[in-house]
Amino acid sequence: EDQVTQSPEALRLQEGESSSLNCSYTVSGLRGLFWYRQDPGKGPEFLFTLYSAGEEKEKERLKATLTKKESFLHITAPKPEDSATYLCAVLGGTDSNYQLIWGAGTKLIIKP
Amino acid sequence: DSGVTQTPKHLITATGQRVTLRCSPRSGDLSVYWYQQSLDQGLQFLIQYYNGEERAKGNILERFSAQQFPDLHSELNLSSLELGDSALYFCASSVGQGPNPYIYFGEGSWLTVV
Repeated sequence: EDQVTQSPEALRLQEGESSSLNCSYTVSGLRGLFWYRQDPGKGPEFLFTLYSAGEEKEKERLKATLTKKESFLHITAPKPEDSATYLCAVLGGTDSNYQLIWGAGTKLIIKP
Repeated sequence: DSGVTQTPKHLITATGQRVTLRCSPRSGDLSVYWYQQSLDQGLQFLIQYYNGEERAKGNILERFSAQQFPDLHSELNLSSLELGDSALYFCASSVGQGPNPYIYFGEGSWLTVV
């Protein structure tokens, strides 16, 4: 069964303290891995797309990387405004039935 | 603002009742997706419509149904509500018919079943 697992469930950091969020996946036919940011009471907002192992994408203080079994979202010198829930999703399945499969998210709290 | 509009924003109803959630997609988007998000289950895909036709089905209960109208707005109908149906229901839209990471989410409808 296709599955996406994110860890940790929650992460509290001091402002400026770098860390990484993990997204591990098992999927029959990976067609891409995606990271989203979700603020409280809002819908998820697209951040990155990764398609192949070794690929990296960066945006401001965030960098996403991909291996054959997992992805990391690295956050460097975070600021309080980076506080949000970060969701990972993979596009998997067969040619006739593929869908986004979502992880449960990591709630990131950055304290000033 | 994603351009996806959902109503109502908040809804409180009793068990056994029926509610309808409404979604207007972004201008030009033909696909509408419905998701359920609860604290213990994360984001669960329910159903997708493309240009009025059902395109894909996820973990949608038989008590739930949806449709997409000719003007492309969509409605999610939830009936015989149970306490466990309390959740945040998101609508999202995209241009194409395939599953698409470039989907735009609305702000959700909070449903509380008491």
